[in-house]
Amino acid sequence: KAGVTQTPRYLIKTRGQQVTLSCSPISGHRSVSWYQQTPGQGLQFLFEYFSETQRNKGNFPGRFSGRQFSNSRSEMNVSTLELGDSALYLCASSSAGLYLYFGPGTRLTVT
Amino acid sequence: TQLLEQSPQFLSIQEGENLTVYCNSSSVFSSLQWYRQEPGEGPVLLVTVVTGGEVKKLKRLTFQFGDARKDSSLHITAAQPGDTGLYLCAGARSGGSNYKLTFGKGTLLTVNP
Repeated sequence: KAGVTQTPRYLIKTRGQQVTLSCSPISGHRSVSWYQQTPGQGLQFLFEYFSETQRNKGNFPGRFSGRQFSNSRSEMNVSTLELGDSALYLCASSSAGLYLYFGPGTRLTVT
Repeated sequence: TQLLEQSPQFLSIQEGENLTVYCNSSSVFSSLQWYRQEPGEGPVLLVTVVTGGEVKKLKRLTFQFGDARKDSSLHITAAQPGDTGLYLCAGARSGGSNYKLTFGKGTLLTVNP
């Protein structure tokens, strides 16, 4: 099976802009989770989608949102970007939400 | 509040040495996972331990889950440069079929040739 793919791999944006990241899970996996990884905070959970419904949500402001489509592909959106949003954004797919298969991540730099 | 504390944060050793990294919490988890992340890649699941006191071996890597299911350790024997990476532990709590994972900040291991 093909692994988890994330696009784009690298992104540079300016403060105040918005960004949309995309994730295609492993075929057959219905759960997609998003994480933000920074050197200072490590991996922090953003949200999880299962069968198009948000099942779990982390402690991030409302500027961070996501959705999942009927084919299980998922997108996350960050509006009004801040410098502190610079991070590696990881998507992980799972058949049931427990064993995670991560994509390579999208490296977002906000200037 | 960081629920999972990993130590040490950084570890640099020579090829052939042994090492142990720790993952500690005051909370009980239904299971605990270990991942390794290499530069430019996402984390890759190495092992899951479920039962208190459980020991699992993966070639030169030995994983142990504490009796009280609050802590875990990873021991690497005769480390090799290919073991270099960020080792992350993640504790799982379940609510039926709905799992919640909490990650530690990781131990960055460098094995020098």
